[in-house]
Amino acid sequence: DQQVKQNSPSLSVQEGRISILNCDYTNSMFDYFLWYKKYPAEGPTFLISISSIKDKNEDGRFTVFLNKSAKHLSLHIVPSQPGDSAVYFCAARPVPSGSRLTFGEGTQLTVNP
Amino acid sequence: ETGVTQTPRHLVMGMTNKKSLKCEQHLGHNAMYWYKQSAKKPLELMFVYNFKEQTENNSVPSRFSPECPNSSHLFLHLHTLQPEDSALYLCASSLTMGAGPNTEAFFGQGTRLTVV
Repeated sequence: DQQVKQNSPSLSVQEGRISILNCDYTNSMFDYFLWYKKYPAEGPTFLISISSIKDKNEDGRFTVFLNKSAKHLSLHIVPSQPGDSAVYFCAARPVPSGSRLTFGEGTQLTVNP
Repeated sequence: ETGVTQTPRHLVMGMTNKKSLKCEQHLGHNAMYWYKQSAKKPLELMFVYNFKEQTENNSVPSRFSPECPNSSHLFLHLHTLQPEDSALYLCASSLTMGAGPNTEAFFGQGTRLTVV
C-alpha cells in the first residue's frame, strides 16, 4: 500500500524555467511533509518542509504548496538550474508521529542548459 | 557533507558471511535511523533509535541486527543475507524525533550492499 506517491518518475525542464514536482498521499493522518534531494552516490539531503497548518512554505527558489483537501503537495523550483538535476523525494509524517517518515518513489529532475 | 558518515561505501558479501555497516554522526543528534532503498522502490524505514534505545523495528528480518552503543554511533550487523537484500542502506540522524522543526533527518551517503 503506497501511501505517498510520486507519479512522475522523471521530469525534464529548460534552465531558467519552472520545475514542478508533484506528490500525492492517501493517509489523512499525515501532517508534516518534507522534500529531499538526492544526487547519485550521495544520501538524500533535506530541502524544505511544510506543516499541515500551512498551505505554502518558501525558501529561496524553492516553494512547497500543500492542498490538504486534495491530499496533494508540490515543489516548485524557479528558476531551475542545471545543478538542480537530481532525484527528488517527497516524504510525510503522521500524527502521532514518532519518527516514521514515509517516502515516495522519487522523481528524477533533469534541468537542461 | 551532511555530518553523517557511513562506512563502507560499498560492500560485497556472500550469503554465509557476517559483516557490519557503521554510521557515525557528530551533530549532537539524539535519534538515528537505518533505511533501505531497493531499486525502483521508496526508502523503507528499518530501525529507529532514540537516545540509544530502539524505538522502532519495522518488521525487519532477524538477519539484520542493529546496535547503538551511544547517540553518535549506529551499526547494522548482517549475517546469512539473501541476494534480495542487495540494496542501498542509508543511515540518518535527527536532533529529535517527532514532527516539526529539528526533526528533519540528515542522511549519510549510504552503503551499496551486494549479496552474492
